[in-house]
Amino acid sequence: LAKTTQPISMDSYEGQEVNITCSHNNIATNDYITWYQQFPSQGPRFIIQGYKTKVTNEVASLFIPADRKSSTLSLPRVSLSDTAVYYCLVVLSGSARQLTFGSGTQLTVLP
Amino acid sequence: DAGVIQSPRHEVTEMGQEVTLRCKPISGHNSLFWYRQTMMRGLELLIYFNNNVPIDDSGMPEDRFSAKMPNASFSTLKIQPSEPRDSAVYFCASSPDYGGNTIYFGEGSWLTVV
Repeated sequence: LAKTTQPISMDSYEGQEVNITCSHNNIATNDYITWYQQFPSQGPRFIIQGYKTKVTNEVASLFIPADRKSSTLSLPRVSLSDTAVYYCLVVLSGSARQLTFGSGTQLTVLP
Repeated sequence: DAGVIQSPRHEVTEMGQEVTLRCKPISGHNSLFWYRQTMMRGLELLIYFNNNVPIDDSGMPEDRFSAKMPNASFSTLKIQPSEPRDSAVYFCASSPDYGGNTIYFGEGSWLTVV
């Protein structure tokens, strides 16, 4: 299983762009990179998934360099409601491999 | 879409009692997951079903824990007997994918064992 490493916590201010980087040095060829968001007292929620280069949706962008050993979740113009824990997962598509969440990154957005 | 539905949302029970947590996955999803979350251990995968068959239960902590999925729309996680260290939030999740590329979580069952 590709292990992921991400910062334990980050602080930001409203209106700023936030970038959270995840390291996954032993990612395999067919692995996908997936990010989840968890608010207090709720289950994690899927944000975005990518395989290479860049993926963008209405919530975030995901940047993956050519070697795929890291990825960066980018949240544009964060608001207080973006305060949450963000998890990076590496998932083997179509596999029964365990889906293990790491410690995640606690993002706190300040006014 | 109703999402993943879990019950009960909150339960307080005494040590030694049996606890049964229930889950209804999203219709059409063929993978189901049970997770446990605590401050100390984070989010742990307990067991994973695909097409109602347990694929990997290596995360189940011990024999006191058991999980079943009798049909595509229902699963249970049972703890018997319960202990205070079982206090946690238990999440059920489902996915349309084999392997779970995109997992949809329920609201969780908050269990306190006293």
